[in-house]
Amino acid sequence: AQSVTQPDIHITVSEGASLELRCNYSYGATPYLFWYVQSPGQGLQLLLKYFSGDTLVQGIKGFEAEFKRSQSSFNLRKPSVHWSDAAEYFCALNAGNMLTFGGGTRLMVKP
Amino acid sequence: DTGVSQNPRHKITKRGQNVTFRCDPISEHNRLYWYRQTLGQGPEFLTYFQNEAQLEKSRLLSDRFSAERPKGSFSTLEIQRTEQGDSAMYLCASSPRGSQTETQYFGPGTRLLVL
Repeated sequence: AQSVTQPDIHITVSEGASLELRCNYSYGATPYLFWYVQSPGQGLQLLLKYFSGDTLVQGIKGFEAEFKRSQSSFNLRKPSVHWSDAAEYFCALNAGNMLTFGGGTRLMVKP
Repeated sequence: DTGVSQNPRHKITKRGQNVTFRCDPISEHNRLYWYRQTLGQGPEFLTYFQNEAQLEKSRLLSDRFSAERPKGSFSTLEIQRTEQGDSAMYLCASSPRGSQTETQYFGPGTRLLVL
């Protein structure tokens, strides 16, 4: 069975600092991977997705993620965090007909 | 394209009561999904529809839960004889056809509190 792990439950960074959120997956076939962001009172919004090709994918709001098959990872990065990036971030894998989500990482941004 | 909408946004009920939630997907999206999200956790899959056909149900969907999509457009999720453990955010999502590479577009969710 597939699974997604986000090792960091909470992360705090200073505004303007760089960010990396970790995501590890377990799946026996080609993974289709997604990063979503959830702000309070809002639905999940897609940041980016990977399913083939270039392992470095660009998304919205200045986010990017790198797929590393050898490490079963799909980490999310942003070079300079803005206060509006404070939210909960979810990594997900589509292994068939539904998404399997990690437990999420809550990002807090210090001024 | 107005996005996925869900009603109500919040529901408070007493244990043992029945509740029904509605989801309106993006128009012309054939695939509709229901997920449940408890506090501090990621969403968990409940069920999905391809047009009006319910094709898969998670083990999380006990006999007290029933979902419908009668005309392949909006969907309803009913919980009978609610229990305190049903308290959660119920999320609906839709996608055009259901391919693994497609984006699932999520609604804002219905937050249920069972007292």
